[in-house]
Amino acid sequence: DARVTQTPRHKVTEMGQEVTMRCQPILGHNTVFWYRQTMMQGLELLAYFRNRAPLDDSGMPKDRFSAEMPDATLATLKIQPSEPRDSAVYFCASAETSGEFIYEQYFGPGTRLTVT
Amino acid sequence: ELKVEQNPLFLSMQEGKNYTIYCNYSTTSDRLYWYRQDPGKSLESLFVLLSNGAVKQEGRLMASLDTKARLSTLHITAAVHDLSATYFCAVGRSGGGADGLTFGKGTHLIIQP
Repeated sequence: DARVTQTPRHKVTEMGQEVTMRCQPILGHNTVFWYRQTMMQGLELLAYFRNRAPLDDSGMPKDRFSAEMPDATLATLKIQPSEPRDSAVYFCASAETSGEFIYEQYFGPGTRLTVT
Repeated sequence: ELKVEQNPLFLSMQEGKNYTIYCNYSTTSDRLYWYRQDPGKSLESLFVLLSNGAVKQEGRLMASLDTKARLSTLHITAAVHDLSATYFCAVGRSGGGADGLTFGKGTHLIIQP
């Protein structure tokens, strides 16, 4: 049963610390998305990659967030330095893309981040 | 800017009743996605509607898409407690979805015995 995995599932950290979240997409999927979910803003797209290349990170605060995909089996989202307003659930999703179309995005279990 | 609006945002209903959740969106798109989220869990795909007039049913849930009206509905028939969850609709940012989805705020559904 193929699924997207994310680590850690929960993270509590102090303001100013670096946080790294990891995602393993479904094998064979060529597109990886990072979303953030908060009560106030709902689900927001932060960034996405296709064939490991970053295509859009306009949803991320540029000064503190960075996203990379060092290989086809690993995507990372890093926050440095973290702030209390970054507290949220971060979801990774993967999809198989054909041109401009996807059939379905598959979501990972999420990383629940709390910054104190 | 693409907008996706759901209503109602909160719905409390009794078991056995029928109800409909509405999803309006502001762009031309011929596909729409419905997801379910249980508290503290991830998003589970319910339906992918791929064209105008598409209708899909799974158990007590039925989803439809009217691309001309830019409207999708999620109809619940004879609700049961297990359907209590938050339901999201989503539209591809540029229609096809390959550049990510824009989500509605979600409909928090509580079904009471």
